[in-house]
Amino acid sequence: QVQLQESGPGLVKPSETLSLICTVSGGSISGYYWTWIRQPPGKGLEWIGYIYHSGGTNYNPSLRSRVTMSIDTSNNQFSLKLNSVTAADTAVYYCARRITGPEAFDSWGQGTLVTVSS
Amino acid sequence: AIQMTQSPSSLSASVGDRVTITCRASQGIRNDLGWYQQKPGKAPKLLIYAASRLQNGVPSRFSGSGSGTDFTLTMSSLQPEDFATYYCLQDYSYPLTFGGGTKVEIK
Repeated sequence: QVQLQESGPGLVKPSETLSLICTVSGGSISGYYWTWIRQPPGKGLEWIGYIYHSGGTNYNPSLRSRVTMSIDTSNNQFSLKLNSVTAADTAVYYCARRITGPEAFDSWGQGTLVTVSS
Repeated sequence: AIQMTQSPSSLSASVGDRVTITCRASQGIRNDLGWYQQKPGKAPKLLIYAASRLQNGVPSRFSGSGSGTDFTLTMSSLQPEDFATYYCLQDYSYPLTFGGGTKVEIK
């Protein structure tokens, strides 16, 4: 069974770049849409975007100017960079696998809290 | 972006109750809708996809229905482990959008 694990700093200063990695184990990274989703404390879920195994991306327009995703198929990892962060970017960040035909997020990481504060 | 409106935002129910949560899309999304359960401190878990298809391993007391703009998640007999927050997600078009969530609490 595939497992996902987020890793990265839990504290980022305002105006700096948030960087997270998701490591996929127990399955191939090929053939799926690898996604980032976030959840501010006590609030709902927000789709950030995805990266396909071939490197194609699709970002939420609300974050598009600040988001970059990349993928390392040799190490079964994909990553998120969010620049110019503010306190509003404080959230639990989840990575998830999106299956298609039909679509759904069938596997999720446990989530990692990133706090933006000086 | 398609707006997803869930109702109610919270409800209190007892073990054994039948519970229904609704989700309305701001435009038609065919049957491209999923339901997710989230417990405190945990990642969301897929329950239902394509509006009515039960994910492997999910108890049959969970069911989903609907098409177009109106969808429902039903729990036929609420169990203690079902107290959680439930989210709908439209998979029809980008950006993908979630409903605001429904918190199911113990009465």
